[in-house]
Amino acid sequence: EPEVTQTPSHQVTQMGQEVILHCVPISNHLYFYWYRQILGQKVEFLVSFYNNEISEKSEIFDDQFSVERPDGSNFTLKIRSTKLEDSAMYFCASAMVSSYSNYGYTFGSGTRLTVV
Amino acid sequence: DQQVKQNSPSLSVQEGRISILNCDYTNSMFDYFLWYKKYPAEGPTFLISISSIKDKNEDGRFTVFLNKSAKHLSLHIVPSQPGDSAVYFCAAGGAGGADGLTFGKGTHLIIQP
Repeated sequence: EPEVTQTPSHQVTQMGQEVILHCVPISNHLYFYWYRQILGQKVEFLVSFYNNEISEKSEIFDDQFSVERPDGSNFTLKIRSTKLEDSAMYFCASAMVSSYSNYGYTFGSGTRLTVV
Repeated sequence: DQQVKQNSPSLSVQEGRISILNCDYTNSMFDYFLWYKKYPAEGPTFLISISSIKDKNEDGRFTVFLNKSAKHLSLHIVPSQPGDSAVYFCAAGGAGGADGLTFGKGTHLIIQP
């Protein structure tokens, strides 16, 4: 079964450093998303991406965050200058169409980011 | 601003019985409601969804009920199996998937043998 692949599974970084989280969405999907889950809290929407540009973003997705699809397969999330409160599990997801229809979308296993 | 609320952080059900997970929402603009299941160290896995124009959707052991007037939905799992032990997230969104989903905090379902 096709899956969304995220690397690394765990990233530790020092406060103020830049991090890039990597995702390989399902190959024929067109819509891409990043979500995060701070420990003990709910899963939160960060950004959606379609046709090489951001479709929607939440209040969390400020100027410290950026996304890129540098080639035909990767979808990256960059945090320019990490803060302690950026520590969370970051989930990438992809979908074939922009409607939830009957199948929602497919999440990756997540990258646990720890900022020290 | 909890637009999607799951008020039970955990639920324990005996194997073979019915599990009922509840979810309330406040935003009447939501068009779709979805349930996701999550195991530790894995991403959420889509289970079942329902459009706001329906009141019930069934898929095998899973049935989702939507009561729009009460802004309430529930997920029924019957019969419950040990492999159903996981965290279940209720999520809601508009008609366009680009807007992103709003998730509840999750309910940890424990199926006891």
